[in-house]
Amino acid sequence: GDSVTQMEGPVTLSEEAFLTINCTYTATGYPSLFWYVQYPGEGLQLLLKATKADDKGSNKGFEATYRKETTSFHLEKGSVQVSDSAVYFCALYGSNDYKLSFGAGTTVTVRA
Amino acid sequence: GAVVSQHPSWVICKSGTSVKIECRSLDFQATTMFWYRQFPKQSLMLMATSNEGSKATYEQGVEKDKFLINHASLTLSTLTVTSAHPEDSSFYICSAPIGTQYFGPGTRLTVL
Repeated sequence: GDSVTQMEGPVTLSEEAFLTINCTYTATGYPSLFWYVQYPGEGLQLLLKATKADDKGSNKGFEATYRKETTSFHLEKGSVQVSDSAVYFCALYGSNDYKLSFGAGTTVTVRA
Repeated sequence: GAVVSQHPSWVICKSGTSVKIECRSLDFQATTMFWYRQFPKQSLMLMATSNEGSKATYEQGVEKDKFLINHASLTLSTLTVTSAHPEDSSFYICSAPIGTQYFGPGTRLTVL
């Protein structure tokens, strides 16, 4: 079945540092890929998405590129802020339904 | 963008009581909604798919008699945790798909 493997944290960074969170997937067909962010005590918010190979999703300074050849969708941000402290989830839709498969989540803490 | 609300956001109840959680799509109709459960510092686990006008579809290992789901209208799905016990304490999140999935803010259930 479909699955997502995500770099486990926690990750602790200083402000303005470079952030990368690795995500690889296993799926049949051509899944859509997502990054969700969960701030403390809140539900999930869609951060960015990509629906086909070589697409780049971007939002709030975060980027991720859908790499079919490496089955990856790594999340990057060039200069993080304290407000980026959150849990980040990589996820995919399979080809046939709206069920999301989530990675384990990566807790990111940014220190001033 | 699309908005999904949940009510209540926080509930504390005694062991043995039942708790109802509502999930509403505020500006769109959703024939399908999803219910997830999230344990502390863990990823989301899909519990069931709520279908308007028909029975919910439960994931393997989820007790359908314990977690009753009713999709009463195109904008409302409810999850009732029956005879709740402390091990049911968790963060429950619903979502509705409209192109992508939009998540509610979550309901934190604490069973004493």
